[in-house]
Amino acid sequence: GQNIDQPTEMTATEGAIVQINCTYQTSGFNGLFWYQQHAGEAPTFLSYNVLDGLEEKGRFSSFLSRSKGYSYLLLKELQMKDSASYLCAVRDSNYQLIWGAGTKLIIKP
Amino acid sequence: IAGITQAPTSQILAAGRRMTLRCTQDMRHNAMYWYRQDLGLGLRLIHYSNTAGTTGKGEVPDGYSVSRANTDDFPLTLASAVPSQTSVYFCASSDGTSGGNEQFFGPGTRLTVL
Repeated sequence: GQNIDQPTEMTATEGAIVQINCTYQTSGFNGLFWYQQHAGEAPTFLSYNVLDGLEEKGRFSSFLSRSKGYSYLLLKELQMKDSASYLCAVRDSNYQLIWGAGTKLIIKP
Repeated sequence: IAGITQAPTSQILAAGRRMTLRCTQDMRHNAMYWYRQDLGLGLRLIHYSNTAGTTGKGEVPDGYSVSRANTDDFPLTLASAVPSQTSVYFCASSDGTSGGNEQFFGPGTRLTVL
């Protein structure tokens, strides 16, 4: 079967750095996405990785290792508005997205 | 403003009733999707459409049907609602299904079936 694993919840301090991990086992791989979802709102796109390595976009970076079936989202200089759920999704061999359950990130002052 | 709209925002429905959730996008995206999101579970694909006139079944299609008569609209119908269909439903669209084409999501419909 297909499986995406993420921690259920993480807590971090304002101004700090946090890394959210995602491991996957899917039928085929055609890219990995990270989305942010604030409570009661729709998911919004953060990043896309298809090749191994690090993609940096402002305070957010995403890393991919296809051989290990592993990705992480790195958030720097945390702000209170970063409190949200972070969703990892893999595009499988049918070009459909398989979603993890999401990691709820709590930022404390 | 370009984007995706969904209606209704929320709905309470008696079991056995028929219900259509509406989704419209104005970005001229080819692909559209319907997901349900339940607490503790990831988004699960119900049905999708890669282009107008075609539809496909996702992971959890039973009890739901869709149509794609044109590019902009992708309604989801529950023929006879059951309590297990209580969920938040998101419609999404993308310009394509490959490469870095991200999915854009509508605001969601919160459905309660009693």
